[in-house]
Amino acid sequence: AQSVTQLDSQVPVFEEAPVELRCNYSSSVSVYLFWYVQYPNQGLQLLLKYLSGSTLVKGINGFEAEFNKSQTSFHLRKPSVHISDTAEYFCAVSVGTNAGKSTFGDGTTLTVKP
Amino acid sequence: DGGITQSPKYLFRKEGQNVTLSCEQNLNHDAMYWYRQDPGQGLRLIYYSQIVNDFQKGDIAEGYSVSREKKESFPLTVTSAQKNPTAFYLCASKRSPEAFFGQGTRLTVV
Repeated sequence: AQSVTQLDSQVPVFEEAPVELRCNYSSSVSVYLFWYVQYPNQGLQLLLKYLSGSTLVKGINGFEAEFNKSQTSFHLRKPSVHISDTAEYFCAVSVGTNAGKSTFGDGTTLTVKP
Repeated sequence: DGGITQSPKYLFRKEGQNVTLSCEQNLNHDAMYWYRQDPGQGLRLIYYSQIVNDFQKGDIAEGYSVSREKKESFPLTVTSAQKNPTAFYLCASKRSPEAFFGQGTRLTVV
């Protein structure tokens, strides 16, 4: 079975500062990795995904993440955040093809202050 | 546009009542999922279905039931056996390995 740990439950940051949201995973097999964003009272929207190939993945809204197999990490980064980035962010892992279950972290609340 | 539609957006339930949350998708995905989300917690899997007329329990299935009579529809019933049903419920479908989510239903017991 796989598991996901988001290392920070809350991350406050000032506008235009860089941010990193940390995610570690464990799995005995190869995984697919995802970051989702959730705004209040809404569903989850895909930010980016790692399936294979380049370990640096670019997503929407200027976010990027780097897959590090040796450290089993998939940290999310943005060089300059905006007020509108305030939201909850979820890291997720999926194993195998077909429609296997995804495992989600507990989420990180990013609060961008003016 | 293709997507997942959950209804209603807000739902109130009296103690002892069963309520059904709707989830419809027109993405032609085989797999569909129901998650429960509580404040400060991640998504917990209630039930999932990988094909029509088949479904499996997730991690917190007690007090819930589902059906999958059509590919497009995966309704969730919250029964009176669920002692703490107040939560945000999310439906998802999957084109492996990526999941697509609906906008959620917030259920409140009054």
